[in-house]
Amino acid sequence: GAGVSQSPRYKVAKRGQDVALRCDPISGHVSLFWYQQALGQGPEFLTYFQNEAQLDKSGLPSDRFFAERPEGSVSTLKIQRTQQEDSAVYLCASSYPLAGELFFGEGSRLTVL
Amino acid sequence: KQEVTQIPAALSVPEGENLVLNCSFTDSAIYNLQWFRQDPGKGLTSLLLIQSSQREQTSGRLNASLDKSSGRSTLYIAASQPGDSATYLCAVKHSGYALNFGKGTSLLVTP
Repeated sequence: GAGVSQSPRYKVAKRGQDVALRCDPISGHVSLFWYQQALGQGPEFLTYFQNEAQLDKSGLPSDRFFAERPEGSVSTLKIQRTQQEDSAVYLCASSYPLAGELFFGEGSRLTVL
Repeated sequence: KQEVTQIPAALSVPEGENLVLNCSFTDSAIYNLQWFRQDPGKGLTSLLLIQSSQREQTSGRLNASLDKSSGRSTLYIAASQPGDSATYLCAVKHSGYALNFGKGTSLLVTP
């Protein structure tokens, strides 16, 4: 596709529910990142994939957060047993190569009630 | 963790003015620095990418400079327009995979 696509754009979950957020990166982009952005803050790094390999997951806030990219293209960020503090915008970005220009999707806004 | 600071946090200027946004970082051993624009409710749009070996990059009315030794970058916007109103984010890449972002400068250009 022409850009990074994320879905859903908006998600409201009750506390304790599981959610899954999808990212479709730019075709051919090897590197894929997930970031979390709280209101009024800059994005915070969550995890990084190079193709299907998750090379860095140091930013995931807890073991309730899980990300995968099984075929090296589409990625899913899953949050189990959501908590109110998980409310944020989750941004996906891709690049080629790793140190190249980073292209972001429009984000998935998660609200946990 | 690398600290990235952006000053000012908010800025309001009349249309037509030239303006400068500042970004500072604590660790000068960077790979590159990237400036982004974010409109309300939207994702980030890349404006300029400066590699560590470069001193500046230009795109249209935008010019970004990089001074690694002092840990500073500036984004210069010439002849500002209302359509430039947005939040501008600076992000620094060191060794490792993550970009470290500042909190951004919220810019309002009034007609």
